[in-house]
Amino acid sequence: QVQLVQSGAEVKKPGASVKVSCKASGYTFTSYDINWVRQATGQGLEWMGWMNPNSGNTGYAQKFQGRVTMTRNTSISTAYMELSSLRSEDTAVYYCARRRGAAAGTWNWFDPWGQGTLVTVSS
Amino acid sequence: SSELTQDPAVSVALGQTVRITCQGDSLRSYYASWYQQKPGQAPVLVIYGKNNRPSGIPDRFSGSSSGNTASLTITGAQAEDEADYYCNSRDSSGNHLDHVFGTGTKVTVL
Repeated sequence: QVQLVQSGAEVKKPGASVKVSCKASGYTFTSYDINWVRQATGQGLEWMGWMNPNSGNTGYAQKFQGRVTMTRNTSISTAYMELSSLRSEDTAVYYCARRRGAAAGTWNWFDPWGQGTLVTVSS
Repeated sequence: SSELTQDPAVSVALGQTVRITCQGDSLRSYYASWYQQKPGQAPVLVIYGKNNRPSGIPDRFSGSSSGNTASLTITGAQAEDEADYYCNSRDSSGNHLDHVFGTGTKVTVL
């Protein structure tokens, strides 16, 4: 079945970087964009950006420009999200999700989602 | 970037109908998708496009759209439908490849 499996929880100090992985299975990895979404405790979902696994092209939410980098390794069907200059406000669960629908189309949707990776930023 | 606004919380009696709305300018151009999230779990897609349900999603979930408002309706709510619900669409302002999530609605089944 189509599945996204993420790496385990991380604890980082302020100013450090974190790299979360998202391994895809059950479909052709290069055929669908991977998006990243985060959720702070008790808060809503926040879209971070997307990556096209075929071309490597990326697009980031303005809020994260300059701090986030999304990459992939097609040989192991894995996407990565690296966030740098971490601060306490970055403490959240980070999700990857496969985007369906044409990128420029009128309807897109995210399915499936990874199980989430908790990143805790604390001194 | 665009904003999508949802009511923070709604309640519904067991077996009754509840409608959750999502308002934003981007919905005039793009369809919303809807996600159910239970505590400690990842979001799950429940509705996408005009009114499409993924396999495994009960037919008591339906979607509609008019103008700048998208709606998710649960007809005959069950106890297991108690969850947070989020809408999402592409962003119609700035970079159209960006996405935006709604503020979320907590549904309580009484």
